[in-house]
Amino acid sequence: GEDVEQSLFLSVREGDSSVINCTYTDSSSTYLYWYKQEPGAGLQLLTYIFSNMDMKQDQRLTVLLNKKDKHLSLRIADTQTGDSAIYFCAENMGRNSGGGADGLTFGKGTHLIIQP
Amino acid sequence: EPEVTQTPSHQVTQMGQEVILRCVPISNHLYFYWYRQILGQKVEFLVSFYNNEISEKSEIFDDQFSVERPDGSNFTLKIRSTKLEDSAMYFCASSKGETQYFGPGTRLLVL
Repeated sequence: GEDVEQSLFLSVREGDSSVINCTYTDSSSTYLYWYKQEPGAGLQLLTYIFSNMDMKQDQRLTVLLNKKDKHLSLRIADTQTGDSAIYFCAENMGRNSGGGADGLTFGKGTHLIIQP
Repeated sequence: EPEVTQTPSHQVTQMGQEVILRCVPISNHLYFYWYRQILGQKVEFLVSFYNNEISEKSEIFDDQFSVERPDGSNFTLKIRSTKLEDSAMYFCASSKGETQYFGPGTRLLVL
């Protein structure tokens, strides 16, 4: 079955880059996502990447996808205190050919802790 | 910017009672979803809904659960007879296709 794994905590200094890693098992995933959850809030879509892409950049965010190793990463440049949150990796289950009906499989989330 | 809304934000109920969680998806979206997150655990997919019917459901979504789009704007999740283990945060989401946008969640506590 599908599974998504992430490390639980990442601590970085303010101003440094953060790299959050994720591995997934379902090779039929068509899209992979990063969501952000701040305390007491819902899941905010940060960015996503189509499975035939290697990289996507959006301002301070860079997503790298290694499809061979089923490895996804999110790099946040110049990490700020406002980036402190839980970051979830998710894959589209792909059972409906990547269409809108597909549910997402989430990892447990990585707590990003910012040190001043 | 349009967003998914959910009511109530918190719900406390007694075991065995029925609860209805409500969601208003983004207005031009076509696909609707429910997920749950038990405290300290992963966000888990429950069900997806399209064209007035269930498209996909997980093994969690058993006969105790049902979904409905009673009018053009609301999307509801009903739990017929709540169990203690139904205590969780329930998220609604909607999409036009590949990107799902989540609501703030309803925290359900079953006593």
